Amino acid sequence: GAVVSQHPSRVICKSGTSVKIECRSLDFQATTMFWYRQFPKKSLMLMATSNEGSKATYEQGVEKDKFLINHASLTLSTLTVTSAHPEDSSFYICSAAGSADTQYFGPGTRLTVL
Amino acid sequence: DAKTTQPPSMDCAEGRAANLPCNHSTISGNEYVYWYRQIHSQGPQYIIHGLKNNETNEMASLIITEDRKSSTLILPHATLRDTAVYYCIVSYSGTYKYIFGTGTRLKVLA
Repeated sequence: GAVVSQHPSRVICKSGTSVKIECRSLDFQATTMFWYRQFPKKSLMLMATSNEGSKATYEQGVEKDKFLINHASLTLSTLTVTSAHPEDSSFYICSAAGSADTQYFGPGTRLTVL
Repeated sequence: DAKTTQPPSMDCAEGRAANLPCNHSTISGNEYVYWYRQIHSQGPQYIIHGLKNNETNEMASLIITEDRKSSTLILPHATLRDTAVYYCIVSYSGTYKYIFGTGTRLKVLA
């Protein structure tokens, strides 16, 4: 099946710093990628949709200047959490869609902001 | 808001079939029903999806009612490794956004 990777799997940073998370589709080209966040014991919440070569579309309430998304190629999307604060600590998950068929999810990145 | 409603939790004996229901009464004619599961601290794993017809693969079967307002995911012989949160999602396609509901926490008991 289709494989999606994320890097890093876990990151701890100081408040005020920026953190970049990479999402890669390893064996298929993804025209569309999605970013979600998940708090403990909660469901996944969609943050944004990114299409290769164009600006991401953010869900209501998600600050685009805080969560920068770049989808520079058909196999790579990045999420940068700028000026991270403790409330940004969460589990960030990406997914990729190669065709109209279905989305495949990455293993997630756990961000802890001290 | 999610267009699906699922029971918050279910138990199933190991080796027995697990039947997970999902209501999606406002589903549009061209929306698919997708099922994923999430094991603790991992990304969701794709299980199966369908539009109108029942579907079966090596993991599970999907039964969609004729009016498409509900569906059931069937794990034919549940094992302890099937313990997870199961999400039912309706969406126009894989390239369209998914809105997750609260899912069903399935616990398979030895």
